[in-house]
Amino acid sequence: SQQGEEDPQALSIQEGENATMNCSYKTSINNLQWYRQNSGRGLVHLILIRSNEREKHSGRLRVTLDTSKKSSSLLITASRAADTASYFCKSNTGNQFYFGTGTSLTVIP
Amino acid sequence: DTAVSQTPKYLVTQMGNDKSIKCEQNLGHDTMYWYKQDSKKFLKIMFSYNNKELIINETVPNRFSPKSPDKAHLNLHINSLELGDSAVYFCASSLYPGTDEQFFGPGTRLTVL
Repeated sequence: SQQGEEDPQALSIQEGENATMNCSYKTSINNLQWYRQNSGRGLVHLILIRSNEREKHSGRLRVTLDTSKKSSSLLITASRAADTASYFCKSNTGNQFYFGTGTSLTVIP
Repeated sequence: DTAVSQTPKYLVTQMGNDKSIKCEQNLGHDTMYWYKQDSKKFLKIMFSYNNKELIINETVPNRFSPKSPDKAHLNLHINSLELGDSAVYFCASSLYPGTDEQFFGPGTRLTVL
């Protein structure tokens, strides 16, 4: 029951550049979360944005939410090699939730 | 002080065998999950238990059977293993079902030969 799609599937940037990844979902949501998965590890929660919020910041992370377009974006500013990971969005509706297909980010030192 | 732990981390077995993966969380959460992640990193929810009661049971073969002896443990038993079962299996937990932040275990890489 996958309903989230992310793009790009893969992104490769130089250290210090900004990375933007996008998530689209299909139904109305209560909130949307972003997770990071380092190679060989489990997912780690990064940030949650509620349906009545448009933008949220946490350190070098900036998340936006456009409920009219059913989309969200995650911006990582001043990227570091340690940001190399896969990033997943998780859209939440009542007790239902859906993970996106993930974006694989490579930050080249 | 591991929050969500899984054993074993790696599991290599022959087709047709039966195997179990164990999961434990010490966060005091009521809800636990099993996910399957394939080689393309697609994450598929398999089961979820809330306070020992099954609340999510996605379309998976009935060779897969979860068991929750108490709300801190959710084990996954797989009968008659097939090649297509090879994947990484993740356990996760959350305070409440669905919309809450989920905490993931380190994963169990299952290889069926």
